[in-house]
Amino acid sequence: SYDLTQPPSVSVSPGQTASITCTGDKLGDKYACWYQQKPGQSPVLVIYQDTKRPSGIPERFSGSNSGNTATLTISGTQAMDEADYYCQAWDSRTAVFGTGTKVTVL
Amino acid sequence: EVQLVGSGGGLVQPGGSLRLSCAASGFTFSTYSMTWVRQAPGKGLDWVSYISSSSSTIYYADSVKGRFTISRDNAKSSLYLQMNSLRDEDTAVYYCARDPSLVPPPRGFDYWGRGTLVTVSS
Repeated sequence: SYDLTQPPSVSVSPGQTASITCTGDKLGDKYACWYQQKPGQSPVLVIYQDTKRPSGIPERFSGSNSGNTATLTISGTQAMDEADYYCQAWDSRTAVFGTGTKVTVL
Repeated sequence: EVQLVGSGGGLVQPGGSLRLSCAASGFTFSTYSMTWVRQAPGKGLDWVSYISSSSSTIYYADSVKGRFTISRDNAKSSLYLQMNSLRDEDTAVYYCARDPSLVPPPRGFDYWGRGTLVTVSS
C-alpha cells in the first residue's frame, strides 16, 4: 500500500512561516492536495493539484510538490490557521491521506 | 450554496449492518463524482470509497472491500454507503465529499458534509 508521512506537529509564531511536509514514494509524479481541519469541523480543501488554491482560500496558503515531498506553506501565519492539516494523493485506484500534522500558533 | 447532509449513523453491534445517506443540494449532483471518507475518534482521515457521476466507476479501500457498497441515486441527489459485517474498527465519523474532477488530473474533494457518527460496539 502507498503511504504518505507527515510530521505530527509544527509550531509557528504569529506572522511567521509554517511549512508542512508530506513524504511518499515518487509523490512528485502524482498530484497532491491539502486539507485543513479545525476541531469539531469538517475538512476544508486549501490546495489542489500541488499548487492551486480554491476560491476563498487566502493567498498565504501555497503548495509545492517535487521528488518524494509535497509541502504546504503558510506565510504570515495567523491564529485562525491553528488546525490539523492533511495531504492527500491518488495512488492508482486508491485515495491516500497523509498521517496529519497539528499546527500550533504560539 | 453547496450542501451535503449525512445521515443514518448510530450504534450497531459487531457483525451488524447500517446504511448511510448523503443528501446533496446546491449543485448538479448527477455531474459530480462523490466519495466517502471516515475519521475514527481522535485519529486521521481515512478514505473509504469513490463513485463516478454515472456509477460506472467504483473504488473501495482494501479495509472495506467486500463489506461496504457505495451507490447513488442521481434522481434523488443522494449518495449511499451500505455497510455490512461491521467491526469495532469501523467506528468513525463518516463524511461524504464531492469530487470536482471531471477529467484527470484530480482536483481534491472540494465540499464535505458534516459527518455522521457510526459506533460499532456490543
